[in-house]
Amino acid sequence: KAGVTQTPRYLIKTRGQQVTLSCSPISGHRSVSWYQQTPGQGLQFLFEYFSETQRNKGNFPGRFSGRQFSNSRSEMNVSTLELGDSALYLCASSLDRVSEAFFGQGTRLTVV
Amino acid sequence: AQTVTQSQPEMSVQEAETVTLSCTYDTSESDYYLFWYKQPPSRQMILVIRQEAYKQQNATENRFSVNFQKAAKSFSLKISDSQLGDAAMYFCAYRRRWKTSYDKVIFGPGTSLSVIP
Repeated sequence: KAGVTQTPRYLIKTRGQQVTLSCSPISGHRSVSWYQQTPGQGLQFLFEYFSETQRNKGNFPGRFSGRQFSNSRSEMNVSTLELGDSALYLCASSLDRVSEAFFGQGTRLTVV
Repeated sequence: AQTVTQSQPEMSVQEAETVTLSCTYDTSESDYYLFWYKQPPSRQMILVIRQEAYKQQNATENRFSVNFQKAAKSFSLKISDSQLGDAAMYFCAYRRRWKTSYDKVIFGPGTSLSVIP
């Protein structure tokens, strides 16, 4: 059974650009959550999607957005990138909203 | 607001020995889950063990066990017979049960565990 797949694994962008990250959950999982991991702030929750609807949102500016498709795949978008957005972005999927989360390997975003 | 604290930024253990990682959390809720996740250098976050708050019995998963003290809001992880592959960052995490589902997962700052051959 394939795990959570995040693409791309590495990304370098310039300040002011926008970026889209993709997450394919484990087959059958309907809940997808996104986290930002930085050395200074640790792991911070971005948002959670279930059945194509955002169910939970963390304390991030509106530049961070996401969506979920009917096949449960999810994308997150960051617009007007800032240097501080450089981080490892982790996606996690759950069978439903009451199960433990399984994480992907993350996308390492570097903003220069 | 719920918070998770890990007071040991770094720890080391001799191979085959036992080590205990500490975690405390703050919540006013009574129904929640606690987790320990392991993140090796590959960055893949792996669930090590989980504990339901309503269960008094401590969870065990092979060489990994927890000491869950609900009243003290403490949730420590014990790793027995430590192996080189146990070297990783360990995160304690909390997720409350909210209505019919669960809230977001809140992570502690992590403890970096080194295993000495």
